[in-house]
Amino acid sequence: KQEVTQIPAALSVPEGENLVLNCSFTDSAIYNLQWFRQDPGKGLTSLLLIQSSQREQTSGRLNASLDKSSGRSTLYIAASQPGDSATYLCALTSGTYKYIFGTGTRLKVLA
Amino acid sequence: DTEVTQTPKHLVMGMTNKKSLKCEQHMGHRAMYWYKQKAKKPPELMFVYSYEKLSINESVPSRFSPECPNSSLLNLHLHALQPEDSALYLCASSQTRRGDTQYFGPGTRLTVL
Repeated sequence: KQEVTQIPAALSVPEGENLVLNCSFTDSAIYNLQWFRQDPGKGLTSLLLIQSSQREQTSGRLNASLDKSSGRSTLYIAASQPGDSATYLCALTSGTYKYIFGTGTRLKVLA
Repeated sequence: DTEVTQTPKHLVMGMTNKKSLKCEQHMGHRAMYWYKQKAKKPPELMFVYSYEKLSINESVPSRFSPECPNSSLLNLHLHALQPEDSALYLCASSQTRRGDTQYFGPGTRLTVL
């Protein structure tokens, strides 16, 4: 059974810091991995999608990497801003085409 | 247009009520999803429709009944719910089922009294 874990569960950093969020999965047979952000009580906003054949994707201050062999993905946020405060979720699509979400990291960026 | 809309935004219902949640997308996507999300937990998949046919049912109780009238619309009919069903219900769509980017709606906050 696929299990997806995100570490840390919560993170508080001062504005301007570069930070790394981690996503670990137990079964490397995935189709892709997607990173989302979710503001409290709101829907999910897609940030980056990495196909299983790719190693990384970049969008603005965000960079996501994927290492299937080690069962890990990281989301790198450069020069963090208070507006980045949200819960970050990774989700992967495995052999049954179902999205399985990670446990999430609650990020707070202090002004 | 990459928007998925959901109505209503909030819903309060009693355990004997019948209500429906609605979801709509106009991106030409052929897969649509219902998720349930409890507070401080990740979304959990409930149902997947692919080409208007139910393709995944994650052992959801029968008091939740999905319906896909056409490729743009997805409903979730609710009947005889329990207080523990109170949650944020999220709808999503993707081009196909095969691991494409999922686009989420803002959700319906459901409270069962």
